Amino acid sequence: DAGVIQSPRHEVTEMGQEVTLRCKPISGHNSLFWYRQTMMRGLELLIYFNNNVPIDDSGMPEDRFSAKMPNASFSTLKIQPSEPRDSAVYFCASSLKAGSPLHFGNGTRLTVT
Amino acid sequence: GEDVEQSLFLSVREGDSSVINCTYTDSSSTYLYWYKQEPGAGLQLLTYIFSNMDMKQDQRLTVLLNKKDKHLSLRIADTQTGDSAIYFCAESSDGGSQGNLIFGKGTKLSVKP
Repeated sequence: DAGVIQSPRHEVTEMGQEVTLRCKPISGHNSLFWYRQTMMRGLELLIYFNNNVPIDDSGMPEDRFSAKMPNASFSTLKIQPSEPRDSAVYFCASSLKAGSPLHFGNGTRLTVT
Repeated sequence: GEDVEQSLFLSVREGDSSVINCTYTDSSSTYLYWYKQEPGAGLQLLTYIFSNMDMKQDQRLTVLLNKKDKHLSLRIADTQTGDSAIYFCAESSDGGSQGNLIFGKGTKLSVKP
């Protein structure tokens, strides 16, 4: 199994631009999570899906952030417009079911200038 | 809400044992996890323990759980330079209704030769 696949690995963009991060979970996993990691705040859960349905998006910072999961094998996290304070590493993770161990992708390092 | 606390740094010499400690507040935790994060990578599940267990051993890793004090520890025997990483403690409540893990901020383990 290839594991959780995220793209791109690095993204550098200018303030105000739209950013789309992509994730392919492990096949057969029913839960998908988006996390953000910064030095100051550590690992923060942004949103998670069960069976493609968003369950808890209370961690999404503001309306500039949106996430979709159109099918069981693909999810996106979009930031529009991006701001310098959005600079962080964004991780996608999947698990077999809610509460099971998470399997993380290698993350997308986002830099907004 | 639930919280997981860890010390931020630990430094040991190669060959010594490392003990990373974690406290949590959720008394309904069913599983407790240790994840490892190497530079530039996502979190990797190391081991986990069910809340009705006191100890779990897996090769060089020993997990101790004191449920009364809500204290979890990870002991790494014969620590190697390759063990240098950030170690995250995480807890999960009833997986049926809550899908996400609560993570600590991570303990950075530095192993000196």
